[in-house]
Amino acid sequence: DAKTTQPTSMDCAEGRAANLPCNHSTISGNEYVYWYRQIHSQGPQYIIHGLKNNETNEMASLIITEDRKSSTLILPHATLRDTAVYYCIVRVGGSNYKLTFGKGTLLTVNP
Amino acid sequence: DAGVTQSPTHLIKTRGQHVTLRCSPISGHKSVSWYQQVLGQGPQFIFQYYEKEERGRGNFPDRFSARQFPNYSSELNVNALLLGDSALYLCASSLAEGIWTEAFFGQGTRLTVV
Repeated sequence: DAKTTQPTSMDCAEGRAANLPCNHSTISGNEYVYWYRQIHSQGPQYIIHGLKNNETNEMASLIITEDRKSSTLILPHATLRDTAVYYCIVRVGGSNYKLTFGKGTLLTVNP
Repeated sequence: DAGVTQSPTHLIKTRGQHVTLRCSPISGHKSVSWYQQVLGQGPQFIFQYYEKEERGRGNFPDRFSARQFPNYSSELNVNALLLGDSALYLCASSLAEGIWTEAFFGQGTRLTVV
């Protein structure tokens, strides 16, 4: 699975959009980009995933660059409850469920 | 609907002891995976089981073992505990193998080895 690079921490004002970047310059053509988050003392929670097209769901949007070497997770209106560690994971989809987590980005949403 | 449940939630053990952690997946989910998360790090993959068979193993010593039962629940066993085994142990369940669906994590078992 390709390695990812994320900033260690970011701050965001409540109500504003939070844009979390992820670099995955060695991504292969069959590897997906996944985002999970972990709120303090809880298990990780799936947010969104994509291959090459931009994706949106009720939680967030995922923007993947055309060369697929980087992506951005967008939380459109951050709330205090979005304070968490956000993990960007790149892996081949399908046959197994091994997720390779890095250290992630600690997003702090401030009032 | 019940999510992934893990027991116990907290546990304190002494070096050299053995521990068994338990996980019940979401109803209908046949795949269970185990992760270890030490303080300040992301979760690290230990095992994946599907239909009672081991499908994947991470870089952990043989002191770590697991099994999955006919009802798809799972146990993680760790023998000869070391101080470095202190961590949050997470269980994740998924619907099926070969078809990607999101992995749902439990709240974890906090193991402290003293």
